[in-house]
Amino acid sequence: ETGVTQSPTHLIKTRGQQVTLRCSSQSGHNTVSWYQQALGQGPQFIFQYYREEENGRGNFPPRFSGLQFPNYSSELNVNALELDDSALYLCASSLAGVTSGGQVQFFGPGTRLTVL
Amino acid sequence: RKEVEQDPGPFNVPEGATVAFNCTYSNSASQSFFWYRQDCRKEPKLLMSVYSSGNEDGRFTAQLNRASQYISLLIRDSKLSDSATYLCVVKPAGYALNFGKGTSLLVTP
Repeated sequence: ETGVTQSPTHLIKTRGQQVTLRCSSQSGHNTVSWYQQALGQGPQFIFQYYREEENGRGNFPPRFSGLQFPNYSSELNVNALELDDSALYLCASSLAGVTSGGQVQFFGPGTRLTVL
Repeated sequence: RKEVEQDPGPFNVPEGATVAFNCTYSNSASQSFFWYRQDCRKEPKLLMSVYSSGNEDGRFTAQLNRASQYISLLIRDSKLSDSATYLCVVKPAGYALNFGKGTSLLVTP
């Protein structure tokens, strides 16, 4: 296994609510990336955190936000949930310097979010 | 045009068959290339990195053609356990992995 853990495994919310998803990176890794995978699609990059700062962002609105903690674990927060936010949310950890952007990313098992 | 395109399949092949997956990418500045495997309702797992010279890992062979912006994965002597979705992944300069939609493989007895 990759050593990347995520919680919770499953979550059901209603439209308009807020959700927080958590990720612990693999030991020794300093970078966490978050992806959204809708059914039948490949994962889509949301953002990446390195040294507790957002290091790059995909095409997601500001209601998707995150944090990285000194121990490199991370949270993904989504406000004002919409039905289309229903997806598998994956975090991936990697080891990166400040300019390399990281190479191989190892994924956690994901959190399956359902918005009703 | 999507950044990474794959034939979604499904590919249904008998055990022992050889199967090839293809992938094209649009960003000529892409720097790193990978194949990930994803089982149903599980996370993607790295199958192999893809190098310009081509590389092999057991029954799996990956090729990269930068001029044509084309990546391939060949699986020889297919096993039932190879049934999964295979994701072509391209990393341009920057932070994000760009995934294709995946190609579904079903190996049958």
